Amino acid sequence: DAGVIQSPRHEVTEMGQEVTLRCKPISGHNSLFWYRQTMMRGLELLIYFNNNVPIDDSGMPEDRFSAKMPNASFSTLKIQPSEPRDSAVYFCASRQGSVVHEAFFGQGTRLTVV
Amino acid sequence: GDSVTQMEGPVTLSEEAFLTINCTYTATGYPSLFWYVQYPGEGLQLLLKATKADDKGSNKGFEATYRKETTSFHLEKGSVQVSDSAVYFCALSDGSNTGKLIFGQGTTLQVKP
Repeated sequence: DAGVIQSPRHEVTEMGQEVTLRCKPISGHNSLFWYRQTMMRGLELLIYFNNNVPIDDSGMPEDRFSAKMPNASFSTLKIQPSEPRDSAVYFCASRQGSVVHEAFFGQGTRLTVV
Repeated sequence: GDSVTQMEGPVTLSEEAFLTINCTYTATGYPSLFWYVQYPGEGLQLLLKATKADDKGSNKGFEATYRKETTSFHLEKGSVQVSDSAVYFCALSDGSNTGKLIFGQGTTLQVKP
């Protein structure tokens, strides 16, 4: 298995532009997590899905952020409009089955908003 | 809500020194506990886990014991190597069916030769 695949690996965009981050979880995994990592705030859980259904989006910073999971093999995190303070590394992770199992992380997308 | 607190870093040690990174948690129910490691430029990967009280997780010389009475899951290694330099994250997965997975702030470990 290729693991969790995120794209793009790096994204540089101008303030005000729309940004879409993509994630392909490991086949057969039924939970998917989006995290944001910054030096100041560490690793923050933004949203997670079980069986394609959003379970908890309380970590989404504000209405500019949205996430979807239209099927079991694809998820997107969208920021519209983007701001410089959104600059961070965004990770997607997936997990199979119950809570005792490990989550597998993608390589992350480094977003820079200028 | 559930939370994880780790000791602040960075932690700087000489090779072959003993390592302890403290982790405490707050959770309702019976969470599963994890340690993940992140090497530069990479995503997180599982180091070890424990799923119930008094369980000990171990891997690559690292160990951690699930202590329900002190709500702790401290990471230890008897003799660190330069290659252990990385960021270490303590995490919990709550005991509900949905399994929200949350992380501590991370602790940077630097091992010098």
